[in-house]
Amino acid sequence: NAGVTQTPKFQVLKTGQSMTLQCAQDMNHNSMYWYRQDPGMGLRLIYYSASEGTTDKGEVPNGYNVSRLNKREFSLRLESAAPSQTSVYFCASNERQGLASGANVLTFGAGSRLTVL
Amino acid sequence: DAKTTQPPSMDCAEGRAANLPCNHSTISGNEYVYWYRQIHSQGPQYIIHGLKNNETNEMASLIITEDRKSSTLILPHATLRDTAVYYCIVRPKNSGGSNYKLTFGKGTLLTVNP
Repeated sequence: NAGVTQTPKFQVLKTGQSMTLQCAQDMNHNSMYWYRQDPGMGLRLIYYSASEGTTDKGEVPNGYNVSRLNKREFSLRLESAAPSQTSVYFCASNERQGLASGANVLTFGAGSRLTVL
Repeated sequence: DAKTTQPPSMDCAEGRAANLPCNHSTISGNEYVYWYRQIHSQGPQYIIHGLKNNETNEMASLIITEDRKSSTLILPHATLRDTAVYYCIVRPKNSGGSNYKLTFGKGTLLTVNP
């Protein structure tokens, strides 16, 4: 059981180039998320998808687009990369643990380290 | 969502208990306390959560004060592999159809020393 798989693990881009970060989960979760992590900033939510067919902006959506391709896959696209987008990107997914607990447990991928020159 | 306050860093000796505090004085009655950790260069990992009762699992214990304004994550016998950033998060209990986003702050860097 792989959990949340992100590709690529590492990528170097030049300013203005475009690329897509891929994320897939095999846990049949409804909700998926993209975070970025910069030194001293904690994790910041870029976009999320509460369920298949829906996407919403998070805290820092500018410069990104997302696609919820199907229930398993949620991609993050940088149309014109900028040095400010140099970061580590994490994809996550979750499902409620149960009506009684109301828990909200996220499972994260291993991360994608992006450098924009 | 209620804000949380955590110390930026803590040290602990290997084999001793690590007690990580979190202040969430504005927590409301329907908000859960969650703890995650992030070992260097890895994705965050869920540890434990609770509403008002103390909780224990194979990784840790969570102690929530009676007024729910603060909590403590306890790693009973810290090892070098427990060195990580620990995040305390509060979030409302889910209701049908709502989104499930969690907001992470800067957390506490726990360093376990040999």
